[in-house]
Amino acid sequence: EVQLLESGGGLVQPGGSLRLSCAASGFTFSSFGMSWVRQAPGKGLEWVSAIRAGGSSTHYADSVKGRFTISRDSSKNTLYLQVNSLRGEDTAVYYCARGMTTSDTRPDSWGQGTLVIVSS
Amino acid sequence: QTVVTQEPSFSVSPGGTVTLTCGLSSGSVSTDYYPSWYQQTPGQAPRTLMSSTSIRSSGVPDRFSGSILGNRAALTITGAQADDESDYYCILYVGSGIWVFGGGTKLTVL
Repeated sequence: EVQLLESGGGLVQPGGSLRLSCAASGFTFSSFGMSWVRQAPGKGLEWVSAIRAGGSSTHYADSVKGRFTISRDSSKNTLYLQVNSLRGEDTAVYYCARGMTTSDTRPDSWGQGTLVIVSS
Repeated sequence: QTVVTQEPSFSVSPGGTVTLTCGLSSGSVSTDYYPSWYQQTPGQAPRTLMSSTSIRSSGVPDRFSGSILGNRAALTITGAQADDESDYYCILYVGSGIWVFGGGTKLTVL
């Protein structure tokens, strides 16, 4: 069974940083693309970032480009999202998702999310 | 910037059929956009229903089906049940590794 467990969320001041983690199990982590999706309170889903299986190809939504960095460590079966220069509009539940294939990063299996609150 | 459009809300009677759609602010949706559909109930993580237009995910009842209708992707629920009352989101591939979600449709079954 695919399991994805996000952590690292919390309350942070505007301009601050966090590193979100997603521990993966139940599948061969190194064989799948991965992504992050967020959902602001009471709002819809927003695709944030994705990384292909090899880790060399990364992609970002315009809203986070230059501030967020996605990475993965196959030795630890863990996906990361480094979030910098946080703004109020970054307040959201951040979901980790396994992709469909090595290169297809479209969300397939989902974690339960970690909440990031940006507030002074 | 690509905007993916969905009906904000829809209502269906139990046992009825409803078709939710997913379009583009400019242009037509085709299979080249790999439309996929997700279901989300309040407080829960999304669940993948459909990928690549019409491929049902494991465990998804066959009352859910996907297609391209005209210039939009479509999710049809045939024989709606009370527990189908959820938010439904589509996602489209817009190129260069980028995916975009629609704004979601809130489906009421009553």
